[in-house]
Amino acid sequence: AQSVTQLDSQVPVFEEAPVELRCNYSSSVSVYLFWYVQYPNQGLQLLLKYLSGSTLVESINGFEAEFNKSQTSFHLRKPSVHISDTAEYFCAVSEQGGSEKLVFGKGTKLTVNP
Amino acid sequence: DTGVSQNPRHKITKRGQNVTFRCDPISEHNRLYWYRQTLGQGPEFLTYFQNEAQLEKSRLLSDRFSAERPKGSFSTLEIQRTEQGDSAMYLCASSFGPQGHYEAFFGQGTRLTVV
Repeated sequence: AQSVTQLDSQVPVFEEAPVELRCNYSSSVSVYLFWYVQYPNQGLQLLLKYLSGSTLVESINGFEAEFNKSQTSFHLRKPSVHISDTAEYFCAVSEQGGSEKLVFGKGTKLTVNP
Repeated sequence: DTGVSQNPRHKITKRGQNVTFRCDPISEHNRLYWYRQTLGQGPEFLTYFQNEAQLEKSRLLSDRFSAERPKGSFSTLEIQRTEQGDSAMYLCASSFGPQGHYEAFFGQGTRLTVV
């Protein structure tokens, strides 16, 4: 079975500051890794994913995440945040070649202040 | 195509009543998932369909819960004899491909309140 830990439930930052949202996972098998974002009053949207290949993956709006197998982590980073990045961010894993289900962390609420 | 559609968006029901939610996936998406999200938690997997076949069910899905996907198109999730603990956001997602969760598209959810 897999599990996901998002260590920070809330992260407040000022606009244009860098941010890192932490995600650690536990699994006995190889996994795929995902970050989903949920803006206020909207559904979950896929932000980025790691399936294979380069361990650094990027989104179209400036976020990046790096898969670290030895530390079982998939932290999300952005060098300079905007007010519009205020949202809840969920890290998720699924088992390679196995169950179709996504296992989510509890989420991190990112609040960007002016 | 406007994405995954869920109806109703909100449902308030009295304890003991039955409720049914509907999910319309993105056209031609062969995979459909139901998740449940409670306050302060991430979504939890309930069940998964590939076309009309229900391939996986979570232990969270008690006997009071049933899901269907007739003809591999829309899906319904029914909760019988609702309990206060059923109050949650019910999310539907769909995807397409040999391993569909490469990108699961989520609906906005149905918020259930059991009073």
